[in-house]
Amino acid sequence: NAGVTQTPKFQVLKTGQSMTLQCAQDMNHEYMSWYRQDPGMGLRLIHYSVGAGITDQGEVPNGYNVSRSTTEDFPLRLLSAAPSQTSVYFCASTITGGSYGYTFGSGTRLTVV
Amino acid sequence: RKEVEQDPGPFNVPEGATVAFNCTYSNSASQSFFWYRQDCRKEPKLLMSVYSSGNEDGRFTAQLNRASQYISLLIRDSKLSDSATYLCVVNTGKLIFGQGTTLQVKP
Repeated sequence: NAGVTQTPKFQVLKTGQSMTLQCAQDMNHEYMSWYRQDPGMGLRLIHYSVGAGITDQGEVPNGYNVSRSTTEDFPLRLLSAAPSQTSVYFCASTITGGSYGYTFGSGTRLTVV
Repeated sequence: RKEVEQDPGPFNVPEGATVAFNCTYSNSASQSFFWYRQDCRKEPKLLMSVYSSGNEDGRFTAQLNRASQYISLLIRDSKLSDSATYLCVVNTGKLIFGQGTTLQVKP
């Protein structure tokens, strides 16, 4: 099994550009989420989904959109990139309820200039 | 106040030492608890779940005190390979991460 796959691994954007970070899992996990990690801030929840067709906001949702059309995929869209969105982004998934912990993708390192 | 609080450290210890990390959480309705390990520039990986009765996995022991809303991780006989950041994680219906505690084990 591939687990959780994130693409791209690295990306440089100009301010104002839009892009989509891809996340796919092959473990039939219902629960998927996106985090960003900044120095000294830990991981902060952006958006999450408890199943196909259902999404909700986390702690820092502004500037990001998500959709969940299938169980496998949970893309994160940056609408108009800003330097404040420079960060490392992690996608994670788990069986519904989270009692078993999350499996993380390897991350996307995004720089907005 | 942060939902999950940890001392960021760093904790610098010699090989073979015993080291303990603590974590407090604010949501009394939290459902499950974990310790994750994160190596530099890598994704977090599940180290162990934490149960009220306490649980052990080799050199690692985790404890949960629901009354005090406190979680701990004890590492015995530290190895150089234990050097990493340890993240306290609380499930409130979604996973909330602490800032992490950095451990550096020295020869």
